[in-house]
Amino acid sequence: GAGVSQSPRYKVTKRGQDVALRCDPISGHVSLYWYRQALGQGPEFLTYFNYEAQQDKSGLPNDRFSAERPEGSISTLTIQRTEQRDSAMYRCASSQRPGLNEQFFGPGTRLTVL
Amino acid sequence: QQQVKQSPQSLIVQKGGISIINCAYENTAFDYFPWYQQFPGKGPALLIAIRPDVSEKKEGRFTISFNKSAKQFSLHIMDSQPGDSATYFCAAIIVPSNTGKLIFGQGTTLQVKP
Repeated sequence: GAGVSQSPRYKVTKRGQDVALRCDPISGHVSLYWYRQALGQGPEFLTYFNYEAQQDKSGLPNDRFSAERPEGSISTLTIQRTEQRDSAMYRCASSQRPGLNEQFFGPGTRLTVL
Repeated sequence: QQQVKQSPQSLIVQKGGISIINCAYENTAFDYFPWYQQFPGKGPALLIAIRPDVSEKKEGRFTISFNKSAKQFSLHIMDSQPGDSATYFCAAIIVPSNTGKLIFGQGTTLQVKP
């Protein structure tokens, strides 16, 4: 079956532009997570959805970052007024439900802000 | 604040040798400790996991050793093979939370020489 997919795989944008990153989780997975991974570092939690409800957004760095999952499936992470420090790999993961259930990671979107 | 500290940053092992990666955590509320394996260009994938009520868990050539009093755990890869060359991340979760968000270590890049 299909795994977690993300698009675009690569995004280059100029400072100040808005970007939208898409995640398509495994079908039927209730839980969806966004992580950010800097080069040479482990993924860092950004936000979590249970169905369409955003239950934890404690990892979002500032109010330029937002996420939604309006129908409990596909999710979009939006970064407004991008800055160079936003450059990173953005990864999405999904699991059947939260807690001990295995999280399946997507291939990520490599964001470069010039 | 880095809640999960991982070492070494990189590791080179000869084929057939034992690879050992160590992690330490601060938060005693963590109660589930997975290890993820990441190949270049791919997302992390669950390798093996342990709960703190056991001191060791083995799956094939991979073993987790857990020391609850020291707040440390380690991954041992026996008979290391070139195909094991990847980046390994330890992680921790607070299970009773309703998110299941993973807190990752910094990662260890393993190279197994033929």
